[in-house]
Amino acid sequence: GENVEQHPSTLSVQEGDSAVIKCTYSDSASNYFPWYKQELGKGPQLIIDIRSNVGEKKDQRIAVTLNKTAKHFSLHITETQPEDSAVYFCAALRGAQKLVFGQGTRLTINP
Amino acid sequence: EPEVTQTPSHQVTQMGQEVILRCVPISNHLYFYWYRQILGQKVEFLVSFYNNEISEKSEIFDDQFSVERPDGSNFTLKIRSTKLEDSAMYFCASKSGGATDTQYFGPGTRLTVL
Repeated sequence: GENVEQHPSTLSVQEGDSAVIKCTYSDSASNYFPWYKQELGKGPQLIIDIRSNVGEKKDQRIAVTLNKTAKHFSLHITETQPEDSAVYFCAALRGAQKLVFGQGTRLTINP
Repeated sequence: EPEVTQTPSHQVTQMGQEVILRCVPISNHLYFYWYRQILGQKVEFLVSFYNNEISEKSEIFDDQFSVERPDGSNFTLKIRSTKLEDSAMYFCASKSGGATDTQYFGPGTRLTVL
């Protein structure tokens, strides 16, 4: 079955700097890769996603890259702000229904 | 903006008791899901539901678990006889249609089994 590995588990950056979180997946048939942000006491909120027919997608300060050959995808946050502090999860869609999540990255933005 | 809602936000129960967690998915969505997250761990898929039947379930979703869409708006997860290890956050999610459509998550129900 699909396995998603996410690194690092914790990440601390200075406000204004960039943050990068990386994930690898095992099932080459996976074709959809969302990123979710989870704030304390809340459910995961989608922040960006990418489908396997593109290599990069950008939405303001957030971008995701996908390397299908290497089976890895990354989240890039530029010009980080204190409100970016949260836990971030990558996921891969296995089949048509099941999202398989990574272990999560606790991102802390230091003012 | 439409959102998935879940009740209750926190449920405390005694081991062996039955619990029902409730969800109201986004109104025009067709696919419904339950995931769980044990404290400090990753989010894990439990079950998907479409056209009034289970379309996929994980090995976690054993005979103690069941799902139901009793009317046009609610989607429920029942745990028949709770165990200590069922303590977790349970998230409901829904999506509109295609395989790669976004799954939108609710705020979760924290289940504590004593």
